Amino acid sequence: EDQVTQSPEALRLQEGESSSLNCSYTVSGLRGLFWYRQDPGKGPEFLFTLYSAGEEKEKERLKATLTKKESFLHITAPKPEDSATYLCAVNQAGGGADGLTFGKGTHLIIQP
Amino acid sequence: KAGVTQTPRYLIKTRGQQVTLSCSPISGHRSVSWYQQTPGQGLQFLFEYFSETQRNKGNFPGRFSGRQFSNSRSEMNVSTLELGDSALYLCASSLGGALDIQYFGAGTRLSVL
Repeated sequence: EDQVTQSPEALRLQEGESSSLNCSYTVSGLRGLFWYRQDPGKGPEFLFTLYSAGEEKEKERLKATLTKKESFLHITAPKPEDSATYLCAVNQAGGGADGLTFGKGTHLIIQP
Repeated sequence: KAGVTQTPRYLIKTRGQQVTLSCSPISGHRSVSWYQQTPGQGLQFLFEYFSETQRNKGNFPGRFSGRQFSNSRSEMNVSTLELGDSALYLCASSLGGALDIQYFGAGTRLSVL
């Protein structure tokens, strides 16, 4: 069964303490991998799309990377405002605009 | 540019009732997808509409249905509500291509008592 697994489930860091979130996937024919951020009481907010192994994208303190089996979201020198749940999702080959398959997320807390 | 708007934000219903949720996509977006989010299962895909046609469907029972209007606005209906239907229902809109970014609304929080 196709699956997206995120780890850790929760992570507490001190402000400025860099770390990485993991998203591993087992899908047949990955077309794209998406990272979203979700704040309490809000819908997910788009961060990145990655299409092929070796690809990297950056935005402020965040950098996303992709291999054939997993993706990492690296957070460098995080600030309290980076606290959120980070979700990854995959779109697999199958025709049409298939729905995204989401992992259950990593709940990140950055302490001042 | 206005984002995705979902109404109402909160709903309380009792078992056996039915409910209709509404979603207004970003202007120019023709695809609307619906997701259910629960603490145990996370975000799960319900269905997607494009140009008034259901184009894709997830693994949910037939009690969950939807439709899309000519202006791309979409509604989702859940009939014969069960306690397990309590969840945050999210709508996302996109231009309609398989890898186009999906932009999410804030969701409708449904509580079934």
